[in-house]
Amino acid sequence: EAQVTQNPRYLITVTGKKLTVTCSQNMNHEYMSWYRQDPGLGLRQIYYSMNVEVTDKGDVPEGYKVSRKEKRNFPLILESPSPNQTSLYFCASSLFSSGTGEGELFFGEGSRLTVL
Amino acid sequence: AQSVTQLDSHVSVSEGTPVLLRCNYSSSYSPSLFWYVQHPNKGLQLLLKYTSAATLVKGINGFEAEFKKSETSFHLTKPSAHMSDAAEYFCVVSEGGSYIPTFGRGTSLIVHP
Repeated sequence: EAQVTQNPRYLITVTGKKLTVTCSQNMNHEYMSWYRQDPGLGLRQIYYSMNVEVTDKGDVPEGYKVSRKEKRNFPLILESPSPNQTSLYFCASSLFSSGTGEGELFFGEGSRLTVL
Repeated sequence: AQSVTQLDSHVSVSEGTPVLLRCNYSSSYSPSLFWYVQHPNKGLQLLLKYTSAATLVKGINGFEAEFKKSETSFHLTKPSAHMSDAAEYFCVVSEGGSYIPTFGRGTSLIVHP
């Protein structure tokens, strides 16, 4: 089954304690991205990746890091989480690499993060 | 630059009545436009997309949308609402060459029995 898998689905942590949210897709997509969803703001892109070792900032990259060492995996790293990073996070992948903007995004089921 | 505005944060309908979710966009280039649906505690799922082919686009579950360039609109409609349609809906714009799609703030569809 084609899917995007995120872990953990729920996490409560404390300020400053490094954490990683993993994302894996089995569709051989080149494009992967991370979003955060906050009430009344819709989804905002944090980082995206066009292919292995190619990443770039989205609209709200501050406080986050990513890496793309393998095509299927795109982890999101919070080096020193703060309470304003409490949010619902989504990973997505797409056959978006042509740059036409036409590709459908396939989303994971989300990771709800609370930073105390 | 691209932007998208969903004109209603909440829409409430009765089961069996028509649904209209409104979306206006702004784009410097020929855009691709999408509607996604998010059910509670789930990820987003594509309903339909417009990519410069037919202006009337049909999607899953009886939804459709019409691209109107003169009005810069891409409203989502369904002739008859079902209880299972209750969810959050997002309109998304993506310009050619852009890797950062812009999401609207979402419209919550409430369906009353």
